[in-house]
Amino acid sequence: NAGVTQTPKFQVLKTGQSMTLQCAQDMNHEYMSWYRQDPGMGLRLIHYSVGAGITDQGEVPNGYNVSRSTTEDFPLRLLSAAPSQTSVYFCASSYSVGNQPQHFGDGTRLSIL
Amino acid sequence: DAKTTQPNSMESNEEEPVHLPCNHSTISGTDYIHWYRQLPSQGPEYVIHGLTSNVNNRMASLAIAEDRKSSTLILHRATLRDAAVYYCILRDEWRETSGSRLTFGEGTQLTVNP
Repeated sequence: NAGVTQTPKFQVLKTGQSMTLQCAQDMNHEYMSWYRQDPGMGLRLIHYSVGAGITDQGEVPNGYNVSRSTTEDFPLRLLSAAPSQTSVYFCASSYSVGNQPQHFGDGTRLSIL
Repeated sequence: DAKTTQPNSMESNEEEPVHLPCNHSTISGTDYIHWYRQLPSQGPEYVIHGLTSNVNNRMASLAIAEDRKSSTLILHRATLRDAAVYYCILRDEWRETSGSRLTFGEGTQLTVNP
């Protein structure tokens, strides 16, 4: 099993550019989520999904879109990159919310110039 | 939403036990208590979780108060590698259209002294 795979690992963007951060899991997990972590801070939830076709906003959703067309994939789209979105992004998945452990990817380090 | 309260930081000496507290006074009857940790420059990793009874695994033990309003993560013999931020989290309130979610607080920064 590969677990939770995030690509790319590093990315530098210019202000105003758009891009998609990829997240894939091969564990047939229903629950997937995206967090961002700014330097010296805790994790903040951006968006989450409890299954294919179902997504909802987390704590800091502005500037990001998600979709969940398959169980395996949960891409995060930055619509128009801003320097405030410079952060490390983590994707996580689990069988269900609250009673199963979450598995995290290695993160994507994103810099917006 | 159920929230947790943890101390910002704690210190321990190597090879001594560490007790990391967490308060969750608004916990619901079906909420599991989860602990994760984040080593420097790494993603979070699962440590342990439990509902009512105390739990043990190879990494740690979780002691849950009888009223479930608090819990303690126990590292039996701290090593330098255990220096990390430890997060105690609960599931957020259920939403009819989209289920529930997991949000992290600021956690406890554990320093282990040689």
